[in-house]
Amino acid sequence: AQSVTQLGSHVSVSEGALVLLRCNYSSSVPPYLFWYVQYPNQGLQLLLKYTSAATLVKGINGFEAEFKKSETSFHLTKPSAHMSDAAEYFCAVTGSYNTDKLIFGTGTRLQVFP
Amino acid sequence: DSGVTQTPKHLITATGQRVTLRCSPRSGDLSVYWYQQSLDQGLQFLIQYYNGEERAKGNILERFSAQQFPDLHSELNLSSLELGDSALYFCASSVGGTGANEQFFGPGTRLTVL
Repeated sequence: AQSVTQLGSHVSVSEGALVLLRCNYSSSVPPYLFWYVQYPNQGLQLLLKYTSAATLVKGINGFEAEFKKSETSFHLTKPSAHMSDAAEYFCAVTGSYNTDKLIFGTGTRLQVFP
Repeated sequence: DSGVTQTPKHLITATGQRVTLRCSPRSGDLSVYWYQQSLDQGLQFLIQYYNGEERAKGNILERFSAQQFPDLHSELNLSSLELGDSALYFCASSVGGTGANEQFFGPGTRLTVL
């Protein structure tokens, strides 16, 4: 069965600092991996996705993630944090043969300090 | 704006009652998914419909049911409500067919059971 683990339920960074949000996956088949962002009182918005093309995936708002099969990881990074990046971030996986349901991690709340 | 609409935005009801949550997918999307977000369970997949047919079931209680209509809108029915059913319920839609497709999320319905 597929699953994702997000390390760190809270991450705090200063504005302008590197953002690194960790996600490890477990899958018996090649996975499709996603990062979603949820701003307060809003739905989820896709940041980026990995679907077995390039291992380095660029997304919206300056975020990117690298698929590392050897480490079963798909960490999300952004070189320079902005105040508007404060939100909750979810890593998710699909890839089952029978369904394309998303299986989410527990989320990481990102705080950005001035 | 994801193009997915959900009504109502907020719902307050009492234990034992029944409610219906409504979702209209993006134009052209055949798949509709329902997810539940709560503090203790996180984001959990409930059920998926594809072009009117149930495609996958997750951790959906027997008290909950859903359907997708010919015009592709979907309804999630929650009955015999309990305090623990209080949560944010999201609908998402995609073109369907593969786990690589992005799911677009609606703004959610916040259900409060008193």
